[in-house]
Amino acid sequence: EDQVTQSPEALRLQEGESSSLNCSYTVSGLRGLFWYRQDPGKGPEFLFTLYSAGEEKEKERLKATLTKKESFLHITAPKPEDSATYLCAVRGGYQKVTFGIGTKLQVIP
Amino acid sequence: DAGVTQSPTHLIKTRGQQVTLRCSPKSGHDTVSWYQQALGQGPQFIFQYYEEEERQRGNFPDRFSGHQFPNYSSELNVNALLLGDSALYLCASSLAGTGPDTQYFGPGTRLTVL
Repeated sequence: EDQVTQSPEALRLQEGESSSLNCSYTVSGLRGLFWYRQDPGKGPEFLFTLYSAGEEKEKERLKATLTKKESFLHITAPKPEDSATYLCAVRGGYQKVTFGIGTKLQVIP
Repeated sequence: DAGVTQSPTHLIKTRGQQVTLRCSPKSGHDTVSWYQQALGQGPQFIFQYYEEEERQRGNFPDRFSGHQFPNYSSELNVNALLLGDSALYLCASSLAGTGPDTQYFGPGTRLTVL
């Protein structure tokens, strides 16, 4: 069974303090690793897809990287509007998408 | 272009009752997936509908059933509600043959079972 573990569960940063979120995964036949952002009371919003080890994607202050066992979401000089829950998900050989529980990020001005 | 819409926004039911949640996909999308997200947890895949048929199913009991209509909209039905069914129910639409990176989520329906 596919599994996704995210750490830490919660992270509090000062504005401008860079950090990384971790997503460890076990999947049979990775067909994509996905990062989403979820604001309170809303559905997840797609951020990145990564398909193979060594791949990197960037969007504004966010950068996602992928190895054979884990992915990192690096946040550079975060702002308060980056506060949200960040979800990691994998799609395996059976095409189903498995999510982690997320990392709740709070950026303090 | 309206994105994915869901109704109702909130719902309160009692144990043993039945509930129906509705989803209209984003324009141009033909596939609908349903997820359950308990408080503090990630979304869990319930099932996916394409061409009015259930194509994939997660680890949910038969109390959870669905339907897709010719206009691609979908319903999620839950029978014999349990307290543990309280959650945010998310609908996501996509185009068949594409991946979750083209999957758009709706705002969800918050179900509370008392």
